[in-house]
Amino acid sequence: EAQVTQNPRYLITVTGKKLTVTCSQNMNHEYMSWYRQDPGLGLRQIYYSMNVEVTDKGDVPEGYKVSRKEKRNFPLILESPSPNQTSLYFCASSLYPLGGSYEQYFGPGTRLTVT
Amino acid sequence: RKEVEQDPGPFNVPEGATVAFNCTYSNSASQSFFWYRQDCRKEPKLLMSVYSSGNEDGRFTAQLNRASQYISLLIRDSKLSDSATYLCVVNEGGSGGYQKVTFGTGTKLQVIP
Repeated sequence: EAQVTQNPRYLITVTGKKLTVTCSQNMNHEYMSWYRQDPGLGLRQIYYSMNVEVTDKGDVPEGYKVSRKEKRNFPLILESPSPNQTSLYFCASSLYPLGGSYEQYFGPGTRLTVT
Repeated sequence: RKEVEQDPGPFNVPEGATVAFNCTYSNSASQSFFWYRQDCRKEPKLLMSVYSSGNEDGRFTAQLNRASQYISLLIRDSKLSDSATYLCVVNEGGSGGYQKVTFGTGTKLQVIP
């Protein structure tokens, strides 16, 4: 089954404790993104990757890191989480967005609470 | 002005009703448009792309008006299962292989028995 998986699905942590949220896709997609979703703000892109070892900042990258060492995996790293990073996080993947057709496949989400 | 704007709703409609949502976008160079559906606390899923000539998929019709910079989604014969949040998504294009995609905040639909 074609899918994007994320782990963990739920996480409660304390300020300053480093954490990693994993993301993996089995569709051989080149393009992957991380989003956060907050009430009233919609989905905002944190980082994206156009291929292995190619990553770049989205709209809200502060406080986050990513890596893309393998095509299928795109982990999100919070080196020193703070309460304003409490949010619902989605990983997404798609075929390289050539032309106008562009569908993203989303993971099930990770609900993070930082106290 | 927000890049992509939607009425947050909620739209409360009876079963069988027809309901329409609009979404406006600010970048006239935007290249492609989509509607995604998001159930409560779940991931967004593509509902349909929006083509210049308008397109239909069963009870759902999407329209694009480039002159006025909005897209619309029409749902006919609403079902209880249509209750969800509908996200407008705009691909603004870009350079160097990157294409900027902006999500609206969503319109919540509640279909009532």
